[in-house]
Amino acid sequence: NAGVTQTPKFRVLKTGQSMTLLCAQDMNHEYMYWYRQDPGMGLRLIHYSVGEGTTAKGEVPDGYNVSRLKKQNFLLGLESAAPSQTSVYFCASSYRPGTAIRFGPGTRLTVT
Amino acid sequence: DAKTTQPNSMESNEEEPVHLPCNHSTISGTDYIHWYRQLPSQGPEYVIHGLTSNVNNRMASLAIAEDRKSSTLILHRATLRDAAVYYCILRALISSGSARQLTFGSGTQLTVLP
Repeated sequence: NAGVTQTPKFRVLKTGQSMTLLCAQDMNHEYMYWYRQDPGMGLRLIHYSVGEGTTAKGEVPDGYNVSRLKKQNFLLGLESAAPSQTSVYFCASSYRPGTAIRFGPGTRLTVT
Repeated sequence: DAKTTQPNSMESNEEEPVHLPCNHSTISGTDYIHWYRQLPSQGPEYVIHGLTSNVNNRMASLAIAEDRKSSTLILHRATLRDAAVYYCILRALISSGSARQLTFGSGTQLTVLP
């Protein structure tokens, strides 16, 4: 299986533009997460989902929206991109709380 | 909030054992101790996890203190490929829906010297 995949791998946006990052997992995991990582820092949780049709806010949710219409997909949207959202975004999933989290390869986003 | 404390950086010589410490004095009974590592320009990678007993797998060993307030990740023979940031986090078995249980700190940057 492919594990956790993310689309796209790289993207450059202008301030005010919108985009959607797609995350897919083929491990039948219930939980999915979106993190951002700024240079030299740890991962900060943006939003997460505990199952199909559910979403919840993490540490830094402002400026982002998410949807989990299908169990295998978790979408992260930026409605109006800002330079402060320049970061590497990681999607992850896990079967249930307490089990290993599997991460995707990341999406490097630059907002100019 | 249950959180972890790790040294910012550590160094090790190649082919020697490495002991990476983590303090989690406010751990609760339902929290698993997880370790992940992140190689440069890659996503984090699961290493090992445990609840109360010491754990071994092909990558590493996890030693958990009897009171569970600290743990140590042990790499038995460090290689240059082990140079990475190592994260220790707590993961609850029973989700309360709280995002604080899913947070990564800054981790420990491990440098392996040839």
